[in-house]
Amino acid sequence: IAGITQAPTSQILAAGRRMTLRCTQDMRHNAMYWYRQDLGLGLRLIHYSNTAGTTGKGEVPDGYSVSRANTDDFPLTLASAVPSQTSVYFCASSEQGGNQPQHFGDGTRLSIL
Amino acid sequence: DQQVKQNSPSLSVQEGRISILNCDYTNSMFDYFLWYKKYPAEGPTFLISISSIKDKNEDGRFTVFLNKSAKHLSLHIVPSQPGDSAVYFCAANDAGGTSYGKLTFGQGTILTVHP
Repeated sequence: IAGITQAPTSQILAAGRRMTLRCTQDMRHNAMYWYRQDLGLGLRLIHYSNTAGTTGKGEVPDGYSVSRANTDDFPLTLASAVPSQTSVYFCASSEQGGNQPQHFGDGTRLSIL
Repeated sequence: DQQVKQNSPSLSVQEGRISILNCDYTNSMFDYFLWYKKYPAEGPTFLISISSIKDKNEDGRFTVFLNKSAKHLSLHIVPSQPGDSAVYFCAANDAGGTSYGKLTFGQGTILTVHP
């Protein structure tokens, strides 16, 4: 079934550790996004990529980095995790263009202790 | 500064009745609006969208209304079904401008439909 796969589904991590959340899509979408969902705040954009080889900062990029080496993969890295990064992380993709709906993965629940 | 607001954290309706979910926005550059539905432990699923050149878009039981002068949109579900119980997110972007595909989401509204 075509879609977006995120891994891991959940993780408990000690503060200060490095962590990479994986995201792979098989829809050949040019654009990909990372969001975090926190209670009372909805989903907030962390980083995005309009096409392979390019990335950009979203609303809450500090403490996170991304890369887009190819069309299918868009990993999100926490270089040194802090407790405030405890959240549910969603990856999404869409056809290129501002009026295209985004398709989401099922999320990674990350707890930083 | 919350540019997209869903002021009702929750809504409870009876099966068969209408559910109305509301959303307000402040950024006048927004020209494309979407509604997403989210079940627990799953990612948001796209439901319906509307461009700012329209004031209504309908898809089966779901209708979205846009009032640009009031910077307000609403999602109507008729008739409501227990399977519609989920969190509903409103989202917006400046499709024709520099924000490209970047969505700004509201806080979400938990809809519960009682049998």
